[in-house]
Amino acid sequence: NAGVTQTPKFQVLKTGQSMTLQCAQDMNHNSMYWYRQDPGMGLRLIYYSASEGTTDKGEVPNGYNVSRLNKREFSLRLESAAPSQTSVYFCASSEWEGRVFFGPGTRLTVL
Amino acid sequence: TQLLEQSPQFLSIQEGENLTVYCNSSSVFSSLQWYRQEPGEGPVLLVTVVTGGEVKKLKRLTFQFGDARKDSSLHITAAQPGDTGLYLCAGASGGGADGLTFGKGTHLIIQP
Repeated sequence: NAGVTQTPKFQVLKTGQSMTLQCAQDMNHNSMYWYRQDPGMGLRLIYYSASEGTTDKGEVPNGYNVSRLNKREFSLRLESAAPSQTSVYFCASSEWEGRVFFGPGTRLTVL
Repeated sequence: TQLLEQSPQFLSIQEGENLTVYCNSSSVFSSLQWYRQEPGEGPVLLVTVVTGGEVKKLKRLTFQFGDARKDSSLHITAAQPGDTGLYLCAGASGGGADGLTFGKGTHLIIQP
């Protein structure tokens, strides 16, 4: 049981480049999330997917898009990266009771 | 927008001392969760409290959910260097399917 896995672990981009962060969970959870964590800001919700086939904006969705490919996978795409998107990105999944399980994170630097 | 105020932000104490971390909000949450995060890793769930007034114990850690379900506390007894880390509280509304609201965290250092 791997839990929540994310790829890549580290990434450096130049301003304007695009990339997709991949996430998969093997716990058969309905809900999946993308958060970003910045110093002094805590964890902030970017997008979430309450069930397969649905996605909704969180607190800070601008500059991002998501795809819930199937029940297991939820990807986050940066179409045109900006330095303000330098952050640590966490994917997570949960049961309905709100117990959330996090992946190990992707450390993204945008130059 | 729901907010969770966590205090203190930083705490450095000696091994063997007791400490309490607070998580306060003006909003009501259906459940509140505490996580611990180590450098370079994702947050790991410690406990979920769902009933107002609920108290849960995890070895030397005691978690309490306020009667009105707006606040919570984490008390550590006889802290040890292994307790060092970032502690995060997070509130869920309506089952949590639409994501959690996180506090900014408490950086805890236990010095031997």
